[in-house]
Amino acid sequence: DGGITQSPKYLFRKEGQNVTLSCEQNLNHDAMYWYRQDPGQGLRLIYYSQIVNDFQKGDIAEGYSVSREKKESFPLTVTSAQKNPTAFYLCASSFTGYTGELFFGEGSRLTVL
Amino acid sequence: KQEVTQIPAALSVPEGENLVLNCSFTDSAIYNLQWFRQDPGKGLTSLLLIQSSQREQTSGRLNASLDKSSGRSTLYIAASQPGDSATYLCAVEYGNKLVFGAGTILRVKS
Repeated sequence: DGGITQSPKYLFRKEGQNVTLSCEQNLNHDAMYWYRQDPGQGLRLIYYSQIVNDFQKGDIAEGYSVSREKKESFPLTVTSAQKNPTAFYLCASSFTGYTGELFFGEGSRLTVL
Repeated sequence: KQEVTQIPAALSVPEGENLVLNCSFTDSAIYNLQWFRQDPGKGLTSLLLIQSSQREQTSGRLNASLDKSSGRSTLYIAASQPGDSATYLCAVEYGNKLVFGAGTILRVKS
């Protein structure tokens, strides 16, 4: 079955630690995205990548980093510089750019202790 | 500023009722509009995508309409079922970005 796999589903972090969220897709999509979802708010874009070895900052990139070494993988690192990291993180992909259907993973919930 | 607003924020209806969810956007220069469903603690599932040149799209009991001139889209759900209970989000594409509304939480009571 084709789809997007995010792991871990739940993650706890102590203050000052970096954590990495995994996102893998087998849909052969060129574009991949990371969103953050907070209660009562719309999804906000953290980073996106249109092609391997290239990525751009979204609206709330500060305190986050990404890499795109393979077409299938787009990991997100939440660094200690992110002041309020507790949130639900969603990875998505599309064939190319935004023009077309967006497919989402099941999400990863990060809690800072 | 490009903003997307969804009203109401929450809606509770009895099973079998037809209902309408609303999405409004401030900038009418859109590429397309998508409606998504999100179950608690889960990712988003695409329901319908309407291109800017289209007026509506239908899938089963769902019908989404688009009126660019007034900056509005509606999602019509016919004969609602308890399994329709979820959060429904709309997202508007503006070429280089997708702007999401905060969603409408729908509860269908049996």
